[in-house]
Amino acid sequence: GQQVMQIPQYQHVQEGEDFTTYCNSSTTLSNIQWYKQRPGGHPVFLIQLVKSGEVKKQKRLTFQFGEAKKNSSLHITATQTTDVGTYFCAVPTQGGSEKLVFGKGTKLTVNP
Amino acid sequence: GAGVSQTPSNKVTEKGKYVELRCDPISGHTALYWYRQSLGQGPEFLIYFQGTGAADDSGLPNDRFFAVRPEGSVSTLKIQRTERGDSAVYLCASSPYLKPETQYFGPGTRLLVL
Repeated sequence: GQQVMQIPQYQHVQEGEDFTTYCNSSTTLSNIQWYKQRPGGHPVFLIQLVKSGEVKKQKRLTFQFGEAKKNSSLHITATQTTDVGTYFCAVPTQGGSEKLVFGKGTKLTVNP
Repeated sequence: GAGVSQTPSNKVTEKGKYVELRCDPISGHTALYWYRQSLGQGPEFLIYFQGTGAADDSGLPNDRFFAVRPEGSVSTLKIQRTERGDSAVYLCASSPYLKPETQYFGPGTRLLVL
């Protein structure tokens, strides 16, 4: 079945440093979504990328979808303590269903 | 407006018992999803409803797991003969008809089977 690899598994940064997490698929994706889960919380939808090479920004967050639509990245500029949490990518199973397959997530900790 | 709600927030049960977990989706959302999340893992798909019918139940691990959504709103996930390996956070999500790709998650039910 559909799988997506997410790296790194953990990232520890000093406040103010940048952070990037990557998702990779062996198959071409129709779209990719990103979620954030705060410690003890539930996943919260951040964004969906659909087009090849798409780049979207939300304040300090930049999301990219690869040209081949097989990989994606989430970059946070100048991290803050409020960025702490686990960031997941999620992709639909083949056939374009609404069933999502989640990556294992990247857990971000930020030292103040 | 109110988000997705789930009850109970925590459930402790003994091996072999039956449990029911409830999900109340956002009003008007036609699609409802159940996921299971183990520690350190991403959510794992269990079942998806569009309206009252289960459109995809391919993620249910075995026949001890069953879910219903009789009136197209509230859903109940039922687990029979619970096993210790069923311990996890069970997440429910819903999405609107016109934007099915955007899933709104509830706070989850933390199930512990002793």
